[in-house]
Amino acid sequence: DAGVIQSPRHEVTEMGQEVTLRCKPISGHDYLFWYRQTMMRGLELLIYFNNNVPIDDSGMPEDRFSAKMPNASFSTLKIQPSEPRDSAVYFCASSPDRGPGEKLFFGSGTQLSVL
Amino acid sequence: AQKVTQAQTEISVVEKEDVTLDCVYETRDTTYYLFWYKQPPSGELVFLIRRNSFDEQNEISGRYSWNFQKSTSSFNFTITASQVVDSAVYFCALNYRGNTGKLIFGQGTTLQVKP
Repeated sequence: DAGVIQSPRHEVTEMGQEVTLRCKPISGHDYLFWYRQTMMRGLELLIYFNNNVPIDDSGMPEDRFSAKMPNASFSTLKIQPSEPRDSAVYFCASSPDRGPGEKLFFGSGTQLSVL
Repeated sequence: AQKVTQAQTEISVVEKEDVTLDCVYETRDTTYYLFWYKQPPSGELVFLIRRNSFDEQNEISGRYSWNFQKSTSSFNFTITASQVVDSAVYFCALNYRGNTGKLIFGQGTTLQVKP
């Protein structure tokens, strides 16, 4: 089975532009997570979905960030307008169950650079 | 407060040496889960092991072993006879009951294994 698929792998954009990151979770996984990795803050959860419904978006830094999951096989994370401080690696992960002991399956990440 | 501390930022060893990566956690919950993830140079996060708070048995998987000690709130990871392919960033993470998906990650330890 294919793992979590993210696109693009790398994105370079200029400040003020809209950025859209994409994720395809593992088929059959009911939970989808967006994480961000930076040197300063490490790995932090931005938002997660259960059965396509956003459950907790308390980690979304500000209104410039939005995430959607229109169906079970696709999710987007959008930043509009982007700023240099948004430069980071963004990971999507999925999980088959909600238990806190459930392991997460991560994608390869999107390296975002905002100039 | 829930927290994971990986005090070793970087470790460098020569191939075939044994190396231990330290992880200390803080939590008030009696039911919690500890994880180790590996992030190789390719960037994706790979699950290595999961332990729940009621299972203090140490585990060995090939060259990898984990030592869980509740008395010292530690969950250390040892690689025996290290290999160049073990070079990666290793993350220890914590989750607890009622905290779906919000893995609390340590800052990571970068392991470099030299030939």
